[in-house]
Amino acid sequence: QQPVQSPQAVILREGEDAVINCSSSKALYSVHWYRQKHGEAPVFLMILLKGGEQKGHEKISASFNEKKQQSSLYLTASQLSYSGTYFCGTSESNYQLIWGAGTKLIIKP
Amino acid sequence: NAGVTQTPKFQVLKTGQSMTLQCAQDMNHEYMSWYRQDPGMGLRLIHYSVGAGITDQGEVPNGYNVSRSTTEDFPLRLLSAAPSQTSVYFCASSVDSNYGYTFGSGTRLTVV
Repeated sequence: QQPVQSPQAVILREGEDAVINCSSSKALYSVHWYRQKHGEAPVFLMILLKGGEQKGHEKISASFNEKKQQSSLYLTASQLSYSGTYFCGTSESNYQLIWGAGTKLIIKP
Repeated sequence: NAGVTQTPKFQVLKTGQSMTLQCAQDMNHEYMSWYRQDPGMGLRLIHYSVGAGITDQGEVPNGYNVSRSTTEDFPLRLLSAAPSQTSVYFCASSVDSNYGYTFGSGTRLTVV
């Protein structure tokens, strides 16, 4: 079953923060986060594994609540380059990732 | 280091025609997969492979075949193209399930 991403879209001013959520009805083994710019391929941001720690680098981080089967992606002090569509992909126990419908992020100067 | 290479980038097919989308990676990744992406939707898994000689079906396998004779190559065959197969196709590879995926640049396919 497809994970649910929220919000569907968000518009920010440069320098503002954003949170994108991904929730599943199934017990998850891993959650992936990717960013895709228009006309390009998805680019890997980070993976969170069951039992693992919160991950992040610079101003983008993510958490994984195993009890609620939810993950959140945090973008701090957003930059114009953060614009794009963010996808989460969830896996129960194998290589089969099921992807959310995406969250479109627009950053305005 | 090329990563994941997909060819062709664009293709127009007539209904009923067959073709093969090529995917090659030079990272020695065991896992490879094919996705299709339709407007406003996420990626849907067509087929995947966990190593040479091993393939399995994903969410939407009907109308597509795959084989994996080498670690590097994972071609996707459309048997008899239909307008419903108009989409953008992405190939992805990974070391294993504990690592992120590297995507190819995609093939934009139109079936008329």
